[in-house]
Amino acid sequence: SQQGEEDPQALSIQEGENATMNCSYKTSINNLQWYRQNSGRGLVHLILIRSNEREKHSGRLRVTLDTSKKSSSLLITASRAADTASYFCAPTNDYKLSFGAGTTVTVRA
Amino acid sequence: EPEVTQTPSHQVTQMGQEVILRCVPISNHLYFYWYRQILGQKVEFLVSFYNNEISEKSEIFDDQFSVERPDGSNFTLKIRSTKLEDSAMYFCASRRDRRDYTFGSGTRLTVV
Repeated sequence: SQQGEEDPQALSIQEGENATMNCSYKTSINNLQWYRQNSGRGLVHLILIRSNEREKHSGRLRVTLDTSKKSSSLLITASRAADTASYFCAPTNDYKLSFGAGTTVTVRA
Repeated sequence: EPEVTQTPSHQVTQMGQEVILRCVPISNHLYFYWYRQILGQKVEFLVSFYNNEISEKSEIFDDQFSVERPDGSNFTLKIRSTKLEDSAMYFCASRRDRRDYTFGSGTRLTVV
């Protein structure tokens, strides 16, 4: 298993703005998943994108995957205070997930 | 929507004591996992469990740790003799196939 590396480490935006974070990984994958963790809480699965997909949408979330660059991005549009959390990517080519340090997003009211 | 349930949400224990963390995975899931997150650090893989046996474990999962699926519904993590450094948030997760995991909301273990 391999872990993703999220960038930036921290992001502070105004409510209503978009937030973009990136994930890079090293080897081939079957899929890549994004998770959210509110402070002191559990991990919430946001979205899974398969290696043969390039873009996926779920509500205000848009995920892209570029397997040639071994990178993914997560875009949160029209951010809200409730989006304040840490976001993790988990590139997967076997059965266990490995998490990086995440991107901490703070949405200011 | 089906959930993975973990109990207790918070456990305080004396150093050297045994603790059992409990998880009820989603009923038709086949693969079960424990992860932990020390405060301020990354979420780390501990162990995976399939077909009533451990399929993979990390270096963290030493002889002090064990997992069990004692009946058709529960999945437990036992720490035999807790150390201060075992203080962490422990997450259980399950999945049915290659799709996304479902995580529980975690048990915060504090060893004093």
